[in-house]
Amino acid sequence: AQSVTQLDSQVPVFEEAPVELRCNYSSSVSVYLFWYVQYPNQGLQLLLKYLSGSTLVESINGFEAEFNKSQTSFHLRKPSVHISDTAEYFCAVRRNRDDKIIFGKGTRLHILP
Amino acid sequence: DVKVTQSSRYLVKRTGEKVFLECVQDMDHENMFWYRQDPGLGLRLIYFSYDVKMKEKGDIPEGYSVSREKKERFSLILESASTNQTSMYLCASSLESGPRRYEQYFGPGTRLTVT
Repeated sequence: AQSVTQLDSQVPVFEEAPVELRCNYSSSVSVYLFWYVQYPNQGLQLLLKYLSGSTLVESINGFEAEFNKSQTSFHLRKPSVHISDTAEYFCAVRRNRDDKIIFGKGTRLHILP
Repeated sequence: DVKVTQSSRYLVKRTGEKVFLECVQDMDHENMFWYRQDPGLGLRLIYFSYDVKMKEKGDIPEGYSVSREKKERFSLILESASTNQTSMYLCASSLESGPRRYEQYFGPGTRLTVT
């Protein structure tokens, strides 16, 4: 069965420092990959996705993620975080021939002043 | 913009009651999903549907059922509510084709408390 592992449940980082949120998946077939964000007291919203093509994908607010097929990873990075990035981040995977998406358990990003 | 609405933001029910959670989307999405979100457990899929009158079990279907009589509406039913079903329930929808395929749009959630 496919699974999604977010290795860190919480990540504290100082404002303006870089951050990496890790995501690994297990699947023997082609996959589609997503990162969703949930800001405090808000619903989930799509941050970025990989369907095909370039393995490096970017969001409008400075996050990027790279699909690494050999390492089955889709880590999320930002070179300089802002207090407004405080949120919970969820990695998700959908298999090419499946109809459902599997979510990781989430990583809480705490921005320290 | 896609809009996914859920019938209630907060709901309190007693053990043994039958509970209906309604979800409506307005963008003609084929796929609809019900999740529960619990601290430390992330999102867990309860049921999903890829067409009217079609349904598929997710990872934790026990104690739940669903109904999809119209494309825009997906209902989650707790036949006999129990305290371990106290949770945040999230509905989502997505397209099956096109450049925005598989992107899930979420409703605001229903926080259900079973006492």
